[in-house]
Amino acid sequence: ETGVTQTPRHLVMGMTNKKSLKCEQHLGHNAMYWYKQSAKKPLELMFVYNFKEQTENNSVPSRFSPECPNSSHLFLHLHTLQPEDSALYLCASSQATSGSETQYFGPGTRLLVL
Amino acid sequence: AQSVAQPEDQVNVAEGNPLTVKCTYSVSGNPYLFWYVQYPNRGLQFLLKYITGDNLVKGSYGFEAEFNKSQTSFHLKKPSALVSDSALYFCAVRDQAGTALIFGKGTTLSVSS
Repeated sequence: ETGVTQTPRHLVMGMTNKKSLKCEQHLGHNAMYWYKQSAKKPLELMFVYNFKEQTENNSVPSRFSPECPNSSHLFLHLHTLQPEDSALYLCASSQATSGSETQYFGPGTRLLVL
Repeated sequence: AQSVAQPEDQVNVAEGNPLTVKCTYSVSGNPYLFWYVQYPNRGLQFLLKYITGDNLVKGSYGFEAEFNKSQTSFHLKKPSALVSDSALYFCAVRDQAGTALIFGKGTTLSVSS
C-alpha cells in the first residue's frame, strides 16, 4: 500500500453503538483527510486537518466527530449512526493541503450500520 | 465551482488493445489534474498528475494522460491494455487556490482476455 494504514478494515455496528476509525500515515505529511465513498456516488470530502488543525468540515453531521492528535494520526469517532452512513471511509494524507500536492489514500474501512 | 465529469460508467476493451478513459473538467484558472485507480476492497492509488508544462503526462503501470486546455479534458490512456488493469478509475481536479480535490464519479474499466 501507500504508507497510509487504516483500522479496522471492516466494521459492523448498530445505530446505538459508539466506535472509532483510526488512520495512521507514515509519510511525514502535514495534512490528513477523511472521505466517504458510497456506491454510485463520487467521493465526498468530510474533514481536512492541516498541522493538527481542522481546516474544513463539509457540513458533516455531528454524529461523525474527527480527532487529530498529531500530524500522523487521525480518528473518526462514530455515534448514533444511521443505515445510510454505511459506506467505505477513506483516509488520505498529503504534504500540504493546496496546490499540486498529491493525496495518498489508505485502504479504507468498510462500515455497515444495522 | 469546480467539477469533473467522467462520461462513461464503463469502458470495455480487449487485452492488447489501446484504452482511453475520458475526463473533462471545469475550474476557474489553471487546473491541477489527477488520476487514481481503485482495485476491489482497496483504497485509491495515485497514477499520475498534471501540474504544468508538457501536456502529455506519464505515470505508473504504463498509463499516460493528455491535458487539452481548449477541450478542458484530461483523458487517461494506455497503448496496450492488460487484464490486470481492470479496476475503477477516478479523475480529480483542484484549482490553484483550492484545498479540496473534486473527484469524478469513476469509470469501471474491464479488460477481457
